[in-house]
Amino acid sequence: NAGVTQTPKFQVLKTGQSMTLQCAQDMNHNSMYWYRQDPGMGLRLIYYSASEGTTDKGEVPNGYNVSRLNKREFSLRLESAAPSQTSVYFCASSHTGTGGYEQYFGPGTRLTVT
Amino acid sequence: LAKTTQPISMDSYEGQEVNITCSHNNIATNDYITWYQQFPSQGPRFIIQGYKTKVTNEVASLFIPADRKSSTLSLPRVSLSDTAVYYCLVEPYSGAGSYQLTFGKGTKLSVIP
Repeated sequence: NAGVTQTPKFQVLKTGQSMTLQCAQDMNHNSMYWYRQDPGMGLRLIYYSASEGTTDKGEVPNGYNVSRLNKREFSLRLESAAPSQTSVYFCASSHTGTGGYEQYFGPGTRLTVT
Repeated sequence: LAKTTQPISMDSYEGQEVNITCSHNNIATNDYITWYQQFPSQGPRFIIQGYKTKVTNEVASLFIPADRKSSTLSLPRVSLSDTAVYYCLVEPYSGAGSYQLTFGKGTKLSVIP
C-alpha cells in the first residue's frame, strides 16, 4: 500500500515549456486534490476532483489544467510554464461522504521554472 | 468558506504541553475542524479532526468550544520531533465546497531542548 505517489520528485523547466505532473493513489478514494506551496506559505488549492470525470477550480487555477484519468490517477499540466509557477506541488486524496474526512498527501514535486 | 487565523510561530521546551489556538469566526454549521502537521520537505500529515467539544487520539487533543468560533490543538509533553508547522483547516463534510479549501500559513512550532 503506497498511499499517494507523485512523479517526478524534481523538475527544472525553461519559461514556455510544458510538463505534466502525475499523481496516483491506491486507497480507493473518490476525491483528489492538487495544491501548490510557495516558500514560507501555506498550501493553496489549484484544482479538485470529487470523482472520476469531474473537476473543479480551486483558489489558484490559472495556468494549469487537470485530468482525472480514472479513480486512481489525477494529473496536473502546465501548458506554458512561467517563473511564477516555481513552487512545490502536492497531490492529495480523501474519501468523500458524510462526516469529516482526512486528506492523504504525496511527497511533493519541486518545480523550478527559469 | 471559513477563514482561519493562527499564531505565526511558537516556542516550547521539551516535555511541556503546547496549545495552539485557531480562530474561525465564520465557521458554518456543517464544517469540521482538522489539524495537519508538516515537516520540511514533506506533505502535510493528518493529526486530528473534530466537530465540537473534545476529541482525543494517541498524539493530540482538540478542544472546540460551544460556539465553534475557535479551536485549540493540544500536544502533551512535546519532544524535538514535534518541531513542525501545524495547520488548522475548516472543511465542509461530504466534500461539498471542497474546491474552496485554503490551509493558511500555519503555526511554526519550535521545540527547544
